[in-house]
Amino acid sequence: SQTIHQWPATLVQPVGSPLSLECTVEGTSNPNLYWYRQAAGRGLQLLFYSVGIGQISSEVPQNLSASRPQDRQFILSSKKLLLSDSGFYLCAEILGGTQYFGPGTRLTVL
Amino acid sequence: GQNIDQPTEMTATEGAIVQINCTYQTSGFNGLFWYQQHAGEAPTFLSYNVLDGLEEKGRFSSFLSRSKGYSYLLLKELQMKDSASYLCAVTGGGNKLTFGTGTQLKVEL
Repeated sequence: SQTIHQWPATLVQPVGSPLSLECTVEGTSNPNLYWYRQAAGRGLQLLFYSVGIGQISSEVPQNLSASRPQDRQFILSSKKLLLSDSGFYLCAEILGGTQYFGPGTRLTVL
Repeated sequence: GQNIDQPTEMTATEGAIVQINCTYQTSGFNGLFWYQQHAGEAPTFLSYNVLDGLEEKGRFSSFLSRSKGYSYLLLKELQMKDSASYLCAVTGGGNKLTFGTGTQLKVEL
């Protein structure tokens, strides 16, 4: 089985402020990890994925970045948030060929 | 690239059966997933189809036709708690999923 943790659960940040969202997973070694964003009324958009420590693939060019400092840790960051960065951020892991999602972080940029 | 189409909204009656369709156009295809997402929550896995045919799991069934680029999710004996968004997603390889925008299902009395 797997457990995915994300924090914080909710976040309200001013425009131009930095961001750091953390995802950690349990129970799996060398998991494939993913960051998605779901804007209000829109579908899930894949932002980044990682197949191992230090290996990051970016799907959408924007002011966000991701890092994987440890095997089971995946971090999403920004130096300066935009209003358009508001949304529901989901971390996901592949297990047995199926993607499972963490509980998500709801980010509101004001 | 990947293109996935689903109806935006559907309404059904408690106890009835509803079918949510999904059509896709992909450059590669490894499988199709269905997820359920309640408001404010993360998506939860419902089903996975890689071969043509019907996969049944309790009240939920999922069908796939690869030649037609078509899938549907069938929900039987609808309950109020089934009111949610249903997401169709396709994987073309590399363990990356492309999601449709989801179908918002409302179950009424």
